[in-house]
Amino acid sequence: DAGITQSPRHKVTETGTPVTLRCHQTENHRYMYWYRQDPGHGLRLIHYSYGVKDTDKGEVSDGYSVSRSKTEDFLLTLESATSSQTSVYFCATSEGGFGYTFGSGTRLTVV
Amino acid sequence: QQQVKQSPQSLIVQKGGISIINCAYENTAFDYFPWYQQFPGKGPALLIAIRPDVSEKKEGRFTISFNKSAKQFSLHIMDSQPGDSATYFCAASRGGSNYKLTFGKGTLLTVNP
Repeated sequence: DAGITQSPRHKVTETGTPVTLRCHQTENHRYMYWYRQDPGHGLRLIHYSYGVKDTDKGEVSDGYSVSRSKTEDFLLTLESATSSQTSVYFCATSEGGFGYTFGSGTRLTVV
Repeated sequence: QQQVKQSPQSLIVQKGGISIINCAYENTAFDYFPWYQQFPGKGPALLIAIRPDVSEKKEGRFTISFNKSAKQFSLHIMDSQPGDSATYFCAASRGGSNYKLTFGKGTLLTVNP
């Protein structure tokens, strides 16, 4: 997806290890969001940012933290990965309207 | 609490037919209702959106119908094509919420040739 890069695209990690996912945008959008996608659950908001160093929790924030030190980067950290955090993670950005631009996702497997 | 309920979970339609996906919401403060389309291995992409001041919005073969009193909205895909086969998500948001979207659980549409 143009303007949004998620890294890594795929990752396998062990239970109990910390993991950081990165979202990088070149759109200069103010708003950034992390969602997880699971079968039967759709897309659920984990955390979001409404500006540099301004972040807040979504509906499934337990076990996750975020940081945004500059406009273009939004990091999602799993402090101690668990099997329940196996999912596909999507980053999205918005310039202030409701039209989101999504990245291509990170498939995370916790074993 | 599921604020946006989407049905059906999956849908199979013949080429040329009409695909209909329905969503119901609970929060009357919602004032923006988009639909997203997602192909395998890709992120969702905005398809069409509506605000509650209109009852219908059409863009090409895609139409949103909105019923404010029933708190329901639906996506109609006319003349469905195999290339429309994808997962569709409805969503809702309200003003003053930092543009956070609440998504339905998704509908997997398969259009047979």
